[in-house]
Amino acid sequence: AQSVTQPDIHITVSEGASLELRCNYSYGATPYLFWYVQSPGQGLQLLLKYFSGDTLVQGIKGFEAEFKRSQSSFNLRKPSVHWSDAAEYFCAVGASSGTYKYIFGTGTRLKVLA
Amino acid sequence: DAGVTQSPTHLIKTRGQQVTLRCSPKSGHDTVSWYQQALGQGPQFIFQYYEEEERQRGNFPDRFSGHQFPNYSSELNVNALLLGDSALYLCASSLEGDYEQYFGPGTRLTVT
Repeated sequence: AQSVTQPDIHITVSEGASLELRCNYSYGATPYLFWYVQSPGQGLQLLLKYFSGDTLVQGIKGFEAEFKRSQSSFNLRKPSVHWSDAAEYFCAVGASSGTYKYIFGTGTRLKVLA
Repeated sequence: DAGVTQSPTHLIKTRGQQVTLRCSPKSGHDTVSWYQQALGQGPQFIFQYYEEEERQRGNFPDRFSGHQFPNYSSELNVNALLLGDSALYLCASSLEGDYEQYFGPGTRLTVT
């Protein structure tokens, strides 16, 4: 069965420090992968996506992610975190089976210390 | 260019009641998906509508039903509400065959 695992429920970093959020997926074919950010009480904003090609993808707000097929991972990174990055981050895989629905991980809540 | 819109923003209902949530897709999109996001969880796929028909359904009971109109807007209906139906309901729109979905701000449903 298709699934997405985000091993870290909470992560706390200091402002200016680097960040890496982990995402592992289980999917039989080449996956379509996404990272979304959600601020409290808000909807989901797309940070970046991977469909094919270059395995290092750049997104908005200075985020990037690297697709590693051998590790079934799609980790999100940012070299220097800003206080405004505090939010919940969701990794998702696009599952075909005729509907292109998303399967989401349980999310990682990021706290940024001033 | 308007994005995905949802109404209402917040809703409070009592157990056993029925509720209807509404979604207007991004301009040009023809496919609408609904997701339920319980507190502290990731969104869970409810169902998807294309050409006014339900194309696939997630693991949700028949109390959850939907509709898509000729203008591609959509409704999500939940009957016989349970406390466990309290959640943020997200609508996402896309173009048929396209993996990229655009999410609305959600409707926060509270069942008391």
